[in-house]
Amino acid sequence: GQNIDQPTEMTATEGAIVQINCTYQTSGFNGLFWYQQHAGEAPTFLSYNVLDGLEEKGRFSSFLSRSKGYSYLLLKELQMKDSASYLCAVMDSNYQLIWGAGTKLIIKP
Amino acid sequence: GAVVSQHPSWVICKSGTSVKIECRSLDFQATTMFWYRQFPKQSLMLMATSNEGSKATYEQGVEKDKFLINHASLTLSTLTVTSAHPEDSSFYICSARDFGTGGQGIYEQYFGPGTRLTVT
Repeated sequence: GQNIDQPTEMTATEGAIVQINCTYQTSGFNGLFWYQQHAGEAPTFLSYNVLDGLEEKGRFSSFLSRSKGYSYLLLKELQMKDSASYLCAVMDSNYQLIWGAGTKLIIKP
Repeated sequence: GAVVSQHPSWVICKSGTSVKIECRSLDFQATTMFWYRQFPKQSLMLMATSNEGSKATYEQGVEKDKFLINHASLTLSTLTVTSAHPEDSSFYICSARDFGTGGQGIYEQYFGPGTRLTVT
């Protein structure tokens, strides 16, 4: 079966760095997405990785290792507004997105 | 970036009535649109994939006669919840796929703002 695993909840301090991990097992691979979702709102796109390595975009970076079925989202200089759920999703061989359950990130002052 | 709108943003209806939710891609053509449902504190659940001009493909466990999907044009898909019941109360989100005309391009899904449905 297809499976996406990510931690349910994480807590970090304002100004610090946090890494949210995602491991996956899917039938085929056409890229991995990270989305941010604030409570009561729809997800917004953060990053897309299809090749191994690190993609950096401002305070957010995303890493992919296809051989290990592993990705992480790195958030630097955390701000209170970063408190949200972070969703990992993998596009399978049928170009369907397989979603993780999301990681709720709590930022404390 | 590509914009997807949904209407209404929230709706309250009585049990037994039907509700239609519209999803529009405003600045791109979407051959494929997706309908998701999200219950509180849970992840997105794909309900169906909608392709322009053809019948929607429903996920296992989703009643196609209850959740009617129409994708009549490249910019509009509608979801009708028929004979709604309180257990249908949820956050319904659509997304549209833009095959590489801009933004992050390849296969990215753009989400609408969601519709919160409450059935009393």
